[in-house]
Amino acid sequence: NAGVTQTPKFQVLKTGQSMTLQCAQDMNHNSMYWYRQDPGMGLRLIYYSASEGTTDKGEVPNGYNVSRLNKREFSLRLESAAPSQTSVYFCASSEGLAFYEQYFGPGTRLTVT
Amino acid sequence: DAKTTQPNSMESNEEEPVHLPCNHSTISGTDYIHWYRQLPSQGPEYVIHGLTSNVNNRMASLAIAEDRKSSTLILHRATLRDAAVYYCIPDGGTGANNLFFGTGTRLTVIP
Repeated sequence: NAGVTQTPKFQVLKTGQSMTLQCAQDMNHNSMYWYRQDPGMGLRLIYYSASEGTTDKGEVPNGYNVSRLNKREFSLRLESAAPSQTSVYFCASSEGLAFYEQYFGPGTRLTVT
Repeated sequence: DAKTTQPNSMESNEEEPVHLPCNHSTISGTDYIHWYRQLPSQGPEYVIHGLTSNVNNRMASLAIAEDRKSSTLILHRATLRDAAVYYCIPDGGTGANNLFFGTGTRLTVIP
């Protein structure tokens, strides 16, 4: 039981490049989330998916798109990376759309130069 | 949204109890109080949550003030593995659009 997995662990992009961060969970959870964490700050919600087939914006959605590919997988895409998107990105999942007992992945450290 | 106030940092000796305070004076009557922690270079980890009554689980205890304007996370015997940033998060539970992690309390455990 791997929990929440994220790929890649590290990535360096040049400004304007695109990439997709992958997230998968094996706990049969309905809801999934993407957060970013900037140095010295708490987490901020980018997008979430309450259930398969639905996605909604969080606090900081600009510059990102998401896809809930199936119940297990929730990807985050940066279409044209900017230095302001340098951050650590965490994916999380929970059984229902709720704040308790979210399970987080190990994070992807992204640097945009 | 309810706002929280937590100390930026606290220290504790190993194997001693730790009381981590959180002020959430604007909390609404239906907001749960959640605590998460984040160990260095890891994703956040759920610790405990409660509404009105004090709560216990294998990781910690949560003491909620009678007026619900504050709460305290209690680690009964701090270990080095408990060194982390602890986040107190009131949540309305009605959707994800008000999920907000603040900056939390950085707990240092001294051997």
